[in-house]
Amino acid sequence: QKEVEQNSGPLSVPEGAIASLNCTYSDRGSQSFFWYRQYSGKSPELIMSIYSNGDKEDGRFTAQLNKASQYVSLLIRDSQPSDSATYLCAFEGVNTGFQKLVFGTGTRLLVSP
Amino acid sequence: EAQVTQNPRYLITVTGKKLTVTCSQNMNHEYMSWYRQDPGLGLRQIYYSMNVEVTDKGDVPEGYKVSRKEKRNFPLILESPSPNQTSLYFCASQGLATDTQYFGPGTRLTVL
Repeated sequence: QKEVEQNSGPLSVPEGAIASLNCTYSDRGSQSFFWYRQYSGKSPELIMSIYSNGDKEDGRFTAQLNKASQYVSLLIRDSQPSDSATYLCAFEGVNTGFQKLVFGTGTRLLVSP
Repeated sequence: EAQVTQNPRYLITVTGKKLTVTCSQNMNHEYMSWYRQDPGLGLRQIYYSMNVEVTDKGDVPEGYKVSRKEKRNFPLILESPSPNQTSLYFCASQGLATDTQYFGPGTRLTVL
């Protein structure tokens, strides 16, 4: 079983719609979860971090964490063509030292005008 | 401007020819790390360093070496590159008080 599972996509949504990206992880002890965005040919950049069960909102982005189900999601409201990118889910591995991130393979999001 | 720089950005080389990819950060970060990114496999950690002279293996360290003689620099060394090391490499850094890893622009390496 992969440590982080993401649907590779592409996930296609029309402009203005809500994009829902999902991720499951295997390490029950993980405490920290992250969503990175990566544009084609560019480096990943952090867009959201979440540590507690529930929702965390930042502008058009909402991260949701359910530790019991080992599930984390990212909602993008009012999706824009500029949101078209690959979204990487990551968690901080337990007992592996400082900020050892384990990444999923990413979900490609396409927002059509 | 706060940034992580990598050089070179693109490199084509041949099997067995030693090479070094440099990484430098200007944010006085303690933590630095190297990843490789391959289609279908995602980002995988090669080596990381928690401070000067402190380095440790990540998930895929075979065929790579690193050093951390200065806080700002964390070079990746391929002593004898092989075609299976053809990949996109990213360096990243992070400060102790933050949860954000800052990535460099990437180095696309091709080993023939």
